Amino acid sequence: KNEVEQSPQNLTAQEGEFITINCSYSVGISALHWLQQHPGGGIVSLFMLSSGKKKHGRLIATINIQEKHSSLHITASHPRDSAVYICAVFIIQGAQKLVFGQGTRLTINP
Amino acid sequence: GAVVSQHPSRVICKSGTSVKIECRSLDFQATTMFWYRQFPKQSLMLMATSNEGSKATYEQGVEKDKFLINHASLTLSTLTVTSAHPEDSSFYICSASWDSYEQYFGPGTRLTVT
Repeated sequence: KNEVEQSPQNLTAQEGEFITINCSYSVGISALHWLQQHPGGGIVSLFMLSSGKKKHGRLIATINIQEKHSSLHITASHPRDSAVYICAVFIIQGAQKLVFGQGTRLTINP
Repeated sequence: GAVVSQHPSRVICKSGTSVKIECRSLDFQATTMFWYRQFPKQSLMLMATSNEGSKATYEQGVEKDKFLINHASLTLSTLTVTSAHPEDSSFYICSASWDSYEQYFGPGTRLTVT
């Protein structure tokens, strides 16, 4: 079992829909990242969370440390939101490094 | 946010040759730089962590003699793929950090070995 699991793996929705992507992890972490990877490959860091909730524009990220779960929400989705969204956790034990989920491929149709 | 650049963005080389990829932090001093590799339809895998002025720490299974990492300054790290083979074809991404927690990613380099 991967240390970081994302669901769903693929998500297709219509423009305007509310999107939720989930991330569960099984290790102790000090922080969780949500990343966005566009088809060209470049990665943009959307959020870094260690507790609670953060909002940036139409994006909202939440984390529940006790349940080891985080969600990324997109409100009023738009075709330009189409990308792969990756959850990555910064693990506490051993060498400090990011461990990545497999990613969620989001497609927003006009 | 902080900006990290990579050069080149795309490179094609012949089998047996070496390729150097540069990672630069443009507007901050990066005490730590990370090198990742991503194969098609897979997630990023950490290859090595480099701290300025010291030897890189390689992840298990990554050959340090094949993937040479140099982090000579606080704004530049290089990854050299030596004696490249077709199986080294991949997307290589670096990230830079001043505190190891917040990482800023470069745009990636697509390497194709023919």
